[in-house]
Amino acid sequence: EVQLVESGGGLVQPGGSLRLSCAASGFTFSNYAMSWVRQAPGKGLEWVSTISDSGDSTYYADSVKGRFTISRDNSKNTLYLQMNSLRAEDTAIYYCAKSGCSDGSCRYNYWGQGTLVTVSS
Amino acid sequence: DSQMTQSPSSLSASVGDRVTITCRASQGIRNYLAWYQQKPGKAPKLLIYAASTLQSGVPSRFSGSGSGTDFTLTISSLQPEDVATYYCQKYNSALGTFGPGTKVDIK
Repeated sequence: EVQLVESGGGLVQPGGSLRLSCAASGFTFSNYAMSWVRQAPGKGLEWVSTISDSGDSTYYADSVKGRFTISRDNSKNTLYLQMNSLRAEDTAIYYCAKSGCSDGSCRYNYWGQGTLVTVSS
Repeated sequence: DSQMTQSPSSLSASVGDRVTITCRASQGIRNYLAWYQQKPGKAPKLLIYAASTLQSGVPSRFSGSGSGTDFTLTISSLQPEDVATYYCQKYNSALGTFGPGTKVDIK
């Protein structure tokens, strides 16, 4: 059974940093691209970032480019999102999602339950 | 990169009604289109991919169609458990932009 478990969310001040993790199990993690998708309170889904199966290719939404870094450790079956220079508008539930293929150009067939990030003073 | 729009933004229908949601891409995306269902307080769930392929385990009352820029999600007979927000997503590149969502309620 595929499982994705996010952690690392919490309350952080504007300008601060946070690192999210997503522990994956139930599939061969190193064979699939992974993504982060966020949802601000009461709002829709926003794609944030995608990383290829090997980690060689990364992609970012314009809203987070230069501030967020996606990475993965295939030996630990774990996906990460390093978030720096956080702003109030980054407040959201952050979901990790498994792609159906290796390069990210695929539907997201499994999702974690999400971790809440709140940016506030 | 392509932007996605959806209509309507919300709808209310009776149990048993046929419901249709439209998604439009600003540029052609062939059939690289997925539909997700999100119930309140839950993570999204994949319903349809490649515009018309039903994900395993999804009830057959859900169907999708379209190609290029115009797509539709149809619920043939709305059930109470279908109350949710529905999102389309393009995936012709790794930039997986979502539509703004359509909220479906029971009248």
